[in-house]
Amino acid sequence: DTEVTQTPKHLVMGMTNKKSLKCEQHMGHRAMYWYKQKAKKPPELMFVYSYEKLSINESVPSRFSPECPNSSLLNLHLHALQPEDSALYLCASSQPGRSYGYTFGSGTRLTVV
Amino acid sequence: QQQVKQSPQSLIVQKGGISIINCAYENTAFDYFPWYQQFPGKGPALLIAIRPDVSEKKEGRFTISFNKSAKQFSLHIMDSQPGDSATYFCAASMPGNNRKLIWGLGTSLAVNP
Repeated sequence: DTEVTQTPKHLVMGMTNKKSLKCEQHMGHRAMYWYKQKAKKPPELMFVYSYEKLSINESVPSRFSPECPNSSLLNLHLHALQPEDSALYLCASSQPGRSYGYTFGSGTRLTVV
Repeated sequence: QQQVKQSPQSLIVQKGGISIINCAYENTAFDYFPWYQQFPGKGPALLIAIRPDVSEKKEGRFTISFNKSAKQFSLHIMDSQPGDSATYFCAASMPGNNRKLIWGLGTSLAVNP
């Protein structure tokens, strides 16, 4: 299995809603990442988990809350988002410190209304 | 400060032609240079990557040329096809447990039939 699976593919939420994005990989990767991507821009790193521990938080607002329940799963909990948070949210995985590239999921297209 | 500069921003090529995308970097600590291909609504996918001790790497129709002294690298797509129409991102990373990717701003490639 060489895939990173993200659910849901599309999500529309109101500014007062609470929702979660899910990511799963079964490649044995021990580093997992959340990225945010706006249209026609490169992905922006949000969080990095290495061996199930949060190792990088790129000064992301607290309305985004990551969670890594185990080595295969990564969640992103969303609460009180703003319309400007609408974007494609990408999950990726890799081996920590390995030079070979990440494997990205197809993303969740999030729209905040 | 953009650590990896990518050009052109957009590119139109005729079918069968050669597409060339260029990137330049400043930080000599970078030791891994991947290229990602992204189709609309999908996550980036690793296309080809190179290390600075190699001047060229070829995989099928895709070639990376690397000039360490000039701190530049480029992607050549030979015999470009309409199916190659996508956004291409160059990136760079340096040693470290998290292998953070530094991204170029992307090139939107359109291959006309």
